[in-house]
Amino acid sequence: NAGVTQTPKFQVLKTGQSMTLQCAQDMNHNSMYWYRQDPGMGLRLIYYSASEGTTDKGEVPNGYNVSRLNKREFSLRLESAAPSQTSVYFCASSASGTGNYEQYFGPGTRLTVT
Amino acid sequence: DAKTTQPNSMESNEEEPVHLPCNHSTISGTDYIHWYRQLPSQGPEYVIHGLTSNVNNRMASLAIAEDRKSSTLILHRATLRDAAVYYCILRSRGMNTGTASKLTFGTGTRLQVTL
Repeated sequence: NAGVTQTPKFQVLKTGQSMTLQCAQDMNHNSMYWYRQDPGMGLRLIYYSASEGTTDKGEVPNGYNVSRLNKREFSLRLESAAPSQTSVYFCASSASGTGNYEQYFGPGTRLTVT
Repeated sequence: DAKTTQPNSMESNEEEPVHLPCNHSTISGTDYIHWYRQLPSQGPEYVIHGLTSNVNNRMASLAIAEDRKSSTLILHRATLRDAAVYYCILRSRGMNTGTASKLTFGTGTRLQVTL
């Protein structure tokens, strides 16, 4: 199993450009998440998808859109990148429901917006 | 989600036990205590979780105070590979089958391990 994979690993954008970060998981998990991590900070939740066909805002959703393409894939789109969106982006997945299910994280995408 | 408080950093010598504290005085009865760690330049990884009783797994032990207002992650023999940021997170038990397992990360404790 590859677990959670993310592409690309690194990206440099100019202000105003758009891009989509891709995430896929092969663990048959219902729930998927996008976080960002700024230097010296903990992770903050951007958007999440509790199950296929649903998406919800997290703590810092402004400037982002998401698509739950199918059960495996959850993409994050920056329509008009800003320097404040320079960060490391992590995708994660987990089972969902009444249990306490651990999240599995991808390796991250390092995004720089100039 | 209730808030947790952790020291910013701790140091340990290799091969010695490490006790990483976490205070969570506003924990509710349905909150589980989760620990994750983040190795340098990697995504976080799950370490352990518990509700009331102490828990052990291959990575660590979790000691939970009787009043549940604090907990301690115990690494029995720290190695250089354990140098990471350790996050203590409270999470309410999911209420239905559609509930996502959202986590709220603080800034964690940066553990340095030296020879």
